Amino acid sequence: DGGITQSPKYLFRKEGQNVTLSCEQNLNHDAMYWYRQDPGQGLRLIYYSQIVNDFQKGDIAEGYSVSREKKESFPLTVTSAQKNPTAFYLCASSIPGQGRETQYFGPGTRLLVL
Amino acid sequence: GQQVMQIPQYQHVQEGEDFTTYCNSSTTLSNIQWYKQRPGGHPVFLIQLVKSGEVKKQKRLTFQFGEAKKNSSLHITATQTTDVGTYFCAGGRTGYSTLTFGKGTMLLVSP
Repeated sequence: DGGITQSPKYLFRKEGQNVTLSCEQNLNHDAMYWYRQDPGQGLRLIYYSQIVNDFQKGDIAEGYSVSREKKESFPLTVTSAQKNPTAFYLCASSIPGQGRETQYFGPGTRLLVL
Repeated sequence: GQQVMQIPQYQHVQEGEDFTTYCNSSTTLSNIQWYKQRPGGHPVFLIQLVKSGEVKKQKRLTFQFGEAKKNSSLHITATQTTDVGTYFCAGGRTGYSTLTFGKGTMLLVSP
């Protein structure tokens, strides 16, 4: 059963702590993406990776970090430098296609920082 | 940078009424995609338009891509409660490997 998994579904952390969100896909897609969704703000791109061991900053990368050591995995770390980390985080993957690729989304992780 | 504007932000209709959401880009697009996100869910791909003036239909949904490839619309005929959700457009550009999403239109349908 192919798809994208994100874990956990809900995550609570204290302010000042780093937290890592998991994203795994078995679709054999080369490209993976992280988005942040806030109410009324749509989807904002944090980081993306077109190939293993390479990634680029998106529109709102400050306070976040990623790694891409395996094709199947693209974890996102929300660092203590992120001023307002509470949000819904969505991971997506696609076959690279110069902006024409269809993106497949995971179920998302809701992060609440207290 | 590129901007994709989507209106309206929110619309509440009675079941059976029609609904339309509009998407406008600040730059010419190579393609436009539409996604639907149900409440509490994640975005799911609906369709992609590539050609200037293209029109595609999926049952009660009609998608259009403008002649200048800078705007698009999604029209739902005779809405049903199952149409509830947020509809996003996303624009792609030649030479760029990412999409720019609009902020979405939230549709609420009352029975």
